[in-house]
Amino acid sequence: DGGITQSPKYLFRKEGQNVTLSCEQNLNHDAMYWYRQDPGQGLRLIYYSQIVNDFQKGDIAEGYSVSREKKESFPLTVTSAQKNPTAFYLCASSIGGTDSYNEQFFGPGTRLTVL
Amino acid sequence: GQSLEQPSEVTAVEGAIVQINCTYQTSGFYGLSWYQQHDGGAPTFLSYNALDGLEETGRFSSFLSRSDSYGYLLLQELQMKDSASYFCAVRAPLKGSARQLTFGSGTQLTVLP
Repeated sequence: DGGITQSPKYLFRKEGQNVTLSCEQNLNHDAMYWYRQDPGQGLRLIYYSQIVNDFQKGDIAEGYSVSREKKESFPLTVTSAQKNPTAFYLCASSIGGTDSYNEQFFGPGTRLTVL
Repeated sequence: GQSLEQPSEVTAVEGAIVQINCTYQTSGFYGLSWYQQHDGGAPTFLSYNALDGLEETGRFSSFLSRSDSYGYLLLQELQMKDSASYFCAVRAPLKGSARQLTFGSGTQLTVLP
């Protein structure tokens, strides 16, 4: 079965700690994305990557970091610099390319709570 | 930048028809998408309009008017399982040549028996 997996589903973190959220896809998609969703809100783009070893900041990149060393994997690190990290984090992927529309496929999400 | 407006809540009864509107302001526009998200779940793609007019996919239809910066999602023969949040999203340039999605805040649809 092709799809996107995110782990863990729930994550609790103490203030001041960095934490890394996993995102893996076996759809052979070039492009991958990280979004943040707060209660009753839409999705806001944190980072995206159109190809391996390349990534770009989205609208709310401050306090986050990513890497894209493999096509299948796009982990997100929430650093202690992120002032309000409690949120639902969604990873997505698409076939890629800038000249044609490709729908985005989403993972099940990770709900991060800072204690 | 980009901004989108859609109603926060809509309520309808089973079997009815409901329309969810979306207006947008963007610097550059390539298309309007709609996604469905059940509570606590992952968003799933419903439709995409790049050109003016109506696109129909089963019980769901989506409309776009680029001159009015307006679109809507039409859901017919509503079923209880249609209770979910619906997001419009514009595909527009963010950085350089990249064309990314900017999402609205979502419309919570409640279908009553």
